[in-house]
Amino acid sequence: AQKVTQAQTEISVVEKEDVTLDCVYETRDTTYYLFWYKQPPSGELVFLIRRNSFDEQNEISGRYSWNFQKSTSSFNFTITASQVVDSAVYFCALSEAHAGKSTFGDGTTLTVKP
Amino acid sequence: EAQVTQNPRYLITVTGKKLTVTCSQNMNHEYMSWYRQDPGLGLRQIYYSMNVEVTDKGDVPEGYKVSRKEKRNFPLILESPSPNQTSLYFCASSFELAGGRPQFFGPGTRLTVL
Repeated sequence: AQKVTQAQTEISVVEKEDVTLDCVYETRDTTYYLFWYKQPPSGELVFLIRRNSFDEQNEISGRYSWNFQKSTSSFNFTITASQVVDSAVYFCALSEAHAGKSTFGDGTTLTVKP
Repeated sequence: EAQVTQNPRYLITVTGKKLTVTCSQNMNHEYMSWYRQDPGLGLRQIYYSMNVEVTDKGDVPEGYKVSRKEKRNFPLILESPSPNQTSLYFCASSFELAGGRPQFFGPGTRLTVL
């Protein structure tokens, strides 16, 4: 069985602060994929990033960066110099290779105050 | 425009009255899936389909039916809705989730069962 835990239910920061959203996962598969999605107040779900289980390189995209560590089964997401537009619910998700099940964490609600 | 469409977007119904929520994608995606989103519970997978005529249960399939007769459509059927099925429903599609491709989501259907 696969499981995704996002222990932080809500986070509130002031604009320009850095913030890290935690994601811990469990799976018995050796090949799997991890994703982050964003759900802004308007409600749509937007894909942010995917990471393969065999690729532990961290990734940076503008103010966003992701830290994947297989040793701790974590795939954390950091926003540098947060902005009000970053306010959203962020979901971490896991899917296994050759399978159709997809497991999402409960989400972390990030509020960035001006 | 590449998209996933869902209809209706909002629905209020009564217990026991059969309903169908339609989902259609125009991206020629193999994979489609239904999720429900409830406060504090993230997204939970109801059913998924890895290809035409192939469907399988997710984590919360009770009370729901699906069919995949054509690649582009994946309707969600509630034969006898109950109040505990009041939720926000998302349809999603992916070129190949098992190969690590991300999911693209529809705008959501807010269902209220009285």
